[in-house]
Formats: sequence, structure tokens, C-alpha cells
Amino acid sequence: DTGVSQDPRHKITKRGQNVTFRCDPISEHNRLYWYRQTLGQGPEFLTYFQNEAQLEKSRLLSDRFSAERPKGSFSTLEIQRTEQGDSAMYLCASSLPGTGVTGELFFGEGSRLTVL
Amino acid sequence: AQKVTQAQTEISVVEKEDVTLDCVYETRDTTYYLFWYKQPPSGELVFLIRRNSFDEQNEISGRYSWNFQKSTSSFNFTITASQVVDSAVYFCALSEPNYTDKLIFGTGTRLQVFP
Repeated sequence: DTGVSQDPRHKITKRGQNVTFRCDPISEHNRLYWYRQTLGQGPEFLTYFQNEAQLEKSRLLSDRFSAERPKGSFSTLEIQRTEQGDSAMYLCASSLPGTGVTGELFFGEGSRLTVL
Repeated sequence: AQKVTQAQTEISVVEKEDVTLDCVYETRDTTYYLFWYKQPPSGELVFLIRRNSFDEQNEISGRYSWNFQKSTSSFNFTITASQVVDSAVYFCALSEPNYTDKLIFGTGTRLQVFP
């Protein structure tokens, strides 16, 4: 399968714990995006990378959130000291060079976070 | 500010009925792109269509058609002869490449097609 893959698919954690999600984009895609989706809402942009450079971060991305893409391939999204409000589906997407601005994003199936 | 409104929270139809999903957008820019994505129960968003702000031609792809009207800031999506497999949440989204490289999604419309 050559689609966007995310791991883990579901994470249950206690408030205050740290969690990390991983995203493997489609191999030739140089842009990678993180979105967050809460129940009954549309996805909200968090951040995106072009290769290893993080080009934009939403104000939704508080200091407890950090995203990396160290070698321009896979990316990780870490949430420190989780809060119940962090419970959501975290979606990763990737796109080809030149198509990113036009929004032809390929999404993974998401990582669902439940904070107890 | 940029905003996408999908006023229909949920729509239920019987198979073979036609259904239209509404999308109204707000933007301060003259150059922008509009999209529709489908999110089936598996959760993976699937790209359906992109339309740029300079192309108001309607588009048809099989049973799907899209009506873009800049005068009313709308980009509506019609499914003709709906099928059970069309059941999903459909999102309209807006991108403004002059300002940012991100998508702004509406809240989605859940479509349920009953046999």
C-alpha cells in the first residue's frame, strides 16, 4: 500500500501523559500536513512541512504540541501533558510539489486520541 | 476572514434520489480554490474536486456535479441517483494560496442513503 499511513490508529491515555503520533506520507510527496478533527467538526489545520522545514503553524498548536519531520520523510506529532480537550482525530496528509497550494491532499486514516 | 459554511448538518435520502449539498464561503481574496472531500466511515478523507476562483464552469463527473457561483459565493455539490455507497460525511473546503497553504473546512454534511 502506498497511501499515507498513520500510527497508532487509536491511543487512549491519561491526562498529563505525553503521546506521539507518526505519519508516513506517500514517498514522492514533499509536503506534509497535520490537521485535527473533533467530533462533528471539519478538520482544522495545525501545521505543515515542505521537506524538513516547518513552514506554518496554527495558533491551535500550543506550546505543548511539537511536530517534526527530521529527514523530510516521516513526521511525528507529540503532545505533552495531554488534556481532555486534546481528544480528537489527528489527520496527516501529503501532497506533491506544486499541487500543495491547490489542496490536492492525500489523507491518512487518522490517529484517534482519547484523553481520560 | 475566510470561512466555509455547510448549513445542512445531515441529509437522508432513499436510493436513486438526487441530493444537493450546499456550501457557502467567505474570502477576502480574489484568487482562491474550492474543494469537496468525502469522508467515509473509515475516516480517510478522499479528494473529489478542486475549482479555482477564475473558473466558474460547472463540472460533471459521472453521477457527481458541482455548481460554482461567485455571485452568491456558493459551491454546491449534487449527487444524481444516489447509492448506498454514497453515505459519508462530505466537506467543502477553501484554500487561499496567496495568503497561506492550508485548507479551511466547513463542518460537513452527513449524507445517509437508505436502500
